[in-house]
Amino acid sequence: AQRVTQPEKLLSVFKGAPVELKCNYSYSGSPELFWYVQYSRQRLQLLLRHISRESIKGFTADLNKGETSFHLKKPFAQEEDSAMYYCALDGKLTFGQGTILTVHP
Amino acid sequence: ETGVTQTPRHLVMGMTNKKSLKCEQHLGHNAMYWYKQSAKKPLELMFVYSLEERVENNSVPSRFSPECPNSSHLFLHLHTLQPEDSALYLCASSQDAPSGANVLTFGAGSRLTVL
Repeated sequence: AQRVTQPEKLLSVFKGAPVELKCNYSYSGSPELFWYVQYSRQRLQLLLRHISRESIKGFTADLNKGETSFHLKKPFAQEEDSAMYYCALDGKLTFGQGTILTVHP
Repeated sequence: ETGVTQTPRHLVMGMTNKKSLKCEQHLGHNAMYWYKQSAKKPLELMFVYSLEERVENNSVPSRFSPECPNSSHLFLHLHTLQPEDSALYLCASSQDAPSGANVLTFGAGSRLTVL
């Protein structure tokens, strides 16, 4: 069975600090992984997907098949990054529990 | 309105009521989804429709009945619900049938409260 684990329910950092949101997955095939974000009072939306290998809003995520991880990273967090972040797996999207990121001024 | 539209945004119903949630997408997508978002659980996939045919039904109780009359509209019919069914119900759509590289576009959700 496929599963996504986000071990941190809450993560707080100060503005300008590096941030890493952890995501581990369990999947028998070749995984397709995504990060979705939900800002306050906004819809859930795609942030990035590993297949695109792009940086969005300064965030990057690298698929590590050996560690079955897809951690989301940003070197310098901004206050506007405060949101709920979901890691998701495969086309029908198995979601993790989400991590609420708070960036303090 | 463009994107994925869900109505009503808020719904309060008793356990014996019958109501429906509606989702409409204006993106020309071929697949539509219902998810349940509860306070203490991850987003749970309920149903998937591809080209109006149900392709996924994740062991959802029969008190939830989906309907997809065409590729632009998706309904979730509700009857004899339980208080634990109170949640945010999210609709989403994707360009193609569910596959690995699909990107989903989500609606704003329908907040359901069952008394």
